[in-house]
Amino acid sequence: RKEVEQDPGPFNVPEGATVAFNCTYSNSASQSFFWYRQDCRKEPKLLMSVYSSGNEDGRFTAQLNRASQYISLLIRDSKLSDSATYLCVVNLVVVGSSNTGKLIFGQGTTLQVKP
Amino acid sequence: GAVVSQHPSWVICKSGTSVKIECRSLDFQATTMFWYRQFPKQSLMLMATSNEGSKATYEQGVEKDKFLINHASLTLSTLTVTSAHPEDSSFYICSAQQGFNEKLFFGSGTQLSVL
Repeated sequence: RKEVEQDPGPFNVPEGATVAFNCTYSNSASQSFFWYRQDCRKEPKLLMSVYSSGNEDGRFTAQLNRASQYISLLIRDSKLSDSATYLCVVNLVVVGSSNTGKLIFGQGTTLQVKP
Repeated sequence: GAVVSQHPSWVICKSGTSVKIECRSLDFQATTMFWYRQFPKQSLMLMATSNEGSKATYEQGVEKDKFLINHASLTLSTLTVTSAHPEDSSFYICSAQQGFNEKLFFGSGTQLSVL
């Protein structure tokens, strides 16, 4: 089983639509969670962190359910510029001399917003 | 925000040659740097984690003699792909972290094509 699983899509939606992405993670010791956005052949850019209490940033809402090990991202009123791949990312803490955290990326979900 | 510079952006080389990729944190000291590889339509795969002044920790399946990582200072890490082969052609991205569990900042990536 993959450590972070996402539906790769693609999700093709019209402008103005609401779209939701889901993600599950396998390691219950995961400490922090993020959604990143990646455009083709570019570096990932942090979209938002995800908290159990849920958090909202404009048209974007993220939710974490630790019991179900499930993360979601909701995009309202989709814009053409939202077309990208959305990566679900989990921070695993590697306990050791440096207590380093490492990010594990999901495969990504591709969103295509059509006019 | 923090900036991570990655160089070169793209490189084309002959099979059997070695290629060095640099990753610099420009306005902060990166205690930890990560190197990822991404094949087309696939997720970012963590290759190795490097802490300044110590040997890199490689992920399972990544050959440390093939992918040499040096993190000699708090602002610079290098990845050298030794004796590159066509199957090494990929998008390589570095990221830097200032402290434990801190936000990650990504370089812009290097597209390597081995002929």
